[in-house]
Amino acid sequence: AQSVTQPDIHITVSEGASLELRCNYSYGATPYLFWYVQSPGQGLQLLLKYFSGDTLVQGIKGFEAEFKRSQSSFNLRKPSVHWSDAAEYFCAVVHRNTDKLIFGTGTRLQVFP
Amino acid sequence: DTAVSQTPKYLVTQMGNDKSIKCEQNLGHDTMYWYKQDSKKFLKIMFSYNNKELIINETVPNRFSPKSPDKAHLNLHINSLELGDSAVYFCASSPYSLNTEAFFGQGTRLTVV
Repeated sequence: AQSVTQPDIHITVSEGASLELRCNYSYGATPYLFWYVQSPGQGLQLLLKYFSGDTLVQGIKGFEAEFKRSQSSFNLRKPSVHWSDAAEYFCAVVHRNTDKLIFGTGTRLQVFP
Repeated sequence: DTAVSQTPKYLVTQMGNDKSIKCEQNLGHDTMYWYKQDSKKFLKIMFSYNNKELIINETVPNRFSPKSPDKAHLNLHINSLELGDSAVYFCASSPYSLNTEAFFGQGTRLTVV
């Protein structure tokens, strides 16, 4: 079955530390890949997306993600986390033959001062 | 100038009632969606409409009926509400398919008591 896995349910980091959130997908072909962020009580905001081309994509708020076909992964990174980054992060995919955005289970990020 | 707006933001109602959630987008997008986020933050697509035509209808009880009077609006009507319907419902829109980017509303927190 097609799926998106975010292995880390909850991550805690100190402000200023680096961050990597993991995402793996299982599809027959490379899907379109997205990372969304959900702040408490808010909707989802797109951080970045990958369709094709350069496998390292830059997003908003200083985030980047790298697509690795061999590992079926699309991990999200940030070199220095700010307290305002505390939120729920969702990896999502769209299979190229469908129109469904399939979400992972999310990773909750907590940032300590 | 909210891009995707949902009303109401909060909805508390008794079991067995019928309720509606409204969604409007002012982005000129052709496609609109309803997603359900459960208590564990899991997001799942329910419906999608493209230019008022139903495109995706996931395995959702037929108590849930979407209505799209025009391509800027996609409302969700729920009959005979059950406790398990309690969730956050998100409306989203995209230009023509999810091969671009989906813009989400702020969500409607539905609580059935």
